[in-house]
Amino acid sequence: QQQVKQSPQSLIVQKGGISIINCAYENTAFDYFPWYQQFPGKGPALLIAIRPDVSEKKEGRFTISFNKSAKQFSLHIMDSQPGDSATYFCAASIGGSNYKLTFGKGTLLTVNP
Amino acid sequence: DADVTQTPRNRITKTGKRIMLECSQTKGHDRMYWYRQDPGLGLRLIYYSFDVKDINKGEISDGYSVSRQAQAKFSLSLESAIPNQTALYFCATSDPGAATDTQYFGPGTRLTVL
Repeated sequence: QQQVKQSPQSLIVQKGGISIINCAYENTAFDYFPWYQQFPGKGPALLIAIRPDVSEKKEGRFTISFNKSAKQFSLHIMDSQPGDSATYFCAASIGGSNYKLTFGKGTLLTVNP
Repeated sequence: DADVTQTPRNRITKTGKRIMLECSQTKGHDRMYWYRQDPGLGLRLIYYSFDVKDINKGEISDGYSVSRQAQAKFSLSLESAIPNQTALYFCATSDPGAATDTQYFGPGTRLTVL
């Protein structure tokens, strides 16, 4: 049973465009929603995270939008750059502790110059 | 992240062989994790450890075992490797007392079972 569904599987965007990756979850006990970024040959690294007490969090060009009633959250990358090309994973955990993250299947983002 | 190291980085082995993947960290974190990554399947948790005396199974622990030798070391073993264990394996750490909930991943071990 997949508890975090991520889409699309792959995404191609032109430089300067907006990249949008969506995730939906099933378990209403989830209360921490991070996004991880993974470059080829590297391990994933935390990009940005949100808790359900806010509907949006922005860090530079990266924004998480959170819709608690719909059980959905999304990552928006504004002014996408070729250096943003990577695999992005959404994740969720329970109780504010990250000891048991459940990951989505990942989205391969390619930003063309 | 150089604070979390994994050895070997690449390994090719044969079906039935015993394999050990090692993870070391200098971050001083109590919690350590092993994940496997497969194309299109994301990251799946194999085992996790809250401290040296606490080890827990993840969602896909069958065919794997672990050993927490010290706070800084967490090893993953495949007792009898099979081809469907071919994957990218990641070790990660976290600090439950930190202000932010973050897992820090190592560079990964690419394992091929022939």
